[in-house]
Amino acid sequence: DGGITQSPKYLFRKEGQNVTLSCEQNLNHDAMYWYRQDPGQGLRLIYYSQIVNDFQKGDIAEGYSVSREKKESFPLTVTSAQKNPTAFYLCASNDRDYNEQFFGPGTRLTVL
Amino acid sequence: AQSVTQLDSQVPVFEEAPVELRCNYSSSVSVYLFWYVQYPNQGLQLLLKYLSGSTLVKGINGFEAEFNKSQTSFHLRKPSVHISDTAEYFCAVSERDSGGSNYKLTFGKGTLLTVNP
Repeated sequence: DGGITQSPKYLFRKEGQNVTLSCEQNLNHDAMYWYRQDPGQGLRLIYYSQIVNDFQKGDIAEGYSVSREKKESFPLTVTSAQKNPTAFYLCASNDRDYNEQFFGPGTRLTVL
Repeated sequence: AQSVTQLDSQVPVFEEAPVELRCNYSSSVSVYLFWYVQYPNQGLQLLLKYLSGSTLVKGINGFEAEFNKSQTSFHLRKPSVHISDTAEYFCAVSERDSGGSNYKLTFGKGTLLTVNP
């Protein structure tokens, strides 16, 4: 089945540690996105990538980094510079000619 | 940049009652509009979308929405809700990014629909 996988589903880290969230898609989509979701805040765009080896900052990129070395993979690193990293993180993708986004199941990150 | 306003953060209703979840967006230029549903601790699933054509859009699970360009609204409706419709609903608008080569979605803050027996 085609889709987006995110791992792990739950992640716990100590304050000050970097952590990387995985996102893989087998939909052959060009564009991929990372969102952060906090209660009552909706989804806010962190980074997005239209093609391999290229990505753009979204609305809340500070304290995050990404890479896009392969079309199917778009990992997100939450660095120690992110002041409040505890949140639900969602990855999405879409074909560049069609703007419906498909979402993964999410990763809940808790920083202790 | 677009903004999306979902006027109600929570909507409680009884089972089999009709429901309307309201959504307004900021721009009257050509946009694409979406409603997504999210069940607890899951990703988002597309309910329906408006790209062009008929202003009344039908989606999954008996939901429909009406695009009103003059009022910049895209309200979601269902004539009779079920307990299983309890979830958070997000309205989103798509626009091209500053480079003009890709679309970005801007989301509202969500409406929690709670269906009570």
